[in-house]
Amino acid sequence: DADVTQTPRNRITKTGKRIMLECSQTKGHDRMYWYRQDPGLGLRLIYYSFDVKDINKGEISDGYSVSRQAQAKFSLSLESAIPNQTALYFCATSDPRAAPNTGELFFGEGSRLTVL
Amino acid sequence: AQKVTQAQTEISVVEKEDVTLDCVYETRDTTYYLFWYKQPPSGELVFLIRRNSFDEQNEISGRYSWNFQKSTSSFNFTITASQVVDSAVYFCALTRHQAGTALIFGKGTTLSVSS
Repeated sequence: DADVTQTPRNRITKTGKRIMLECSQTKGHDRMYWYRQDPGLGLRLIYYSFDVKDINKGEISDGYSVSRQAQAKFSLSLESAIPNQTALYFCATSDPRAAPNTGELFFGEGSRLTVL
Repeated sequence: AQKVTQAQTEISVVEKEDVTLDCVYETRDTTYYLFWYKQPPSGELVFLIRRNSFDEQNEISGRYSWNFQKSTSSFNFTITASQVVDSAVYFCALTRHQAGTALIFGKGTTLSVSS
């Protein structure tokens, strides 16, 4: 089983619908992240969380919200999806207690979201 | 501010050719880490290498090699004798040492290797 699991892997939805992407991890890492990938734009950070009580906006947080339900779970929500949120979404974790602490990310397999 | 630039959007080569993917970064930190990730057509992100700012030794792993030069703020990636399986999007990334920030990625270089 993957250490970082994303569900769903693929989702097609309609404009205006609420959609949630879920991420769970078995790595025991405190830090979790949501990135969005668009062709030609690389990966851009949406939100990140350094522990259950800590939520931070990333580069492109507008139109998104997150919930850190537990150390192992970090969900990304689109309250009212729009077509330009069609993208590949990645969840990632990192371990600040690693020695050395390099900030290395461990990625899930991605969730492909299409908003019609 | 931190920034990673991968100026090459797409590269096409024929099998067995050598190819270099460029990465230039900007940071004011003295301690930082650089990464390369590979994203094959299947979509997952595969970690390739991590390098800290104090280690400028070049690294070779099989057909892969990395050239880190602080003087030019570059961390270039060379594939020797490319193969079709090397076809992927390659991302260079930068992070601060023990700071509360996430990886900053370049926009990626799409490498296509034809037979």
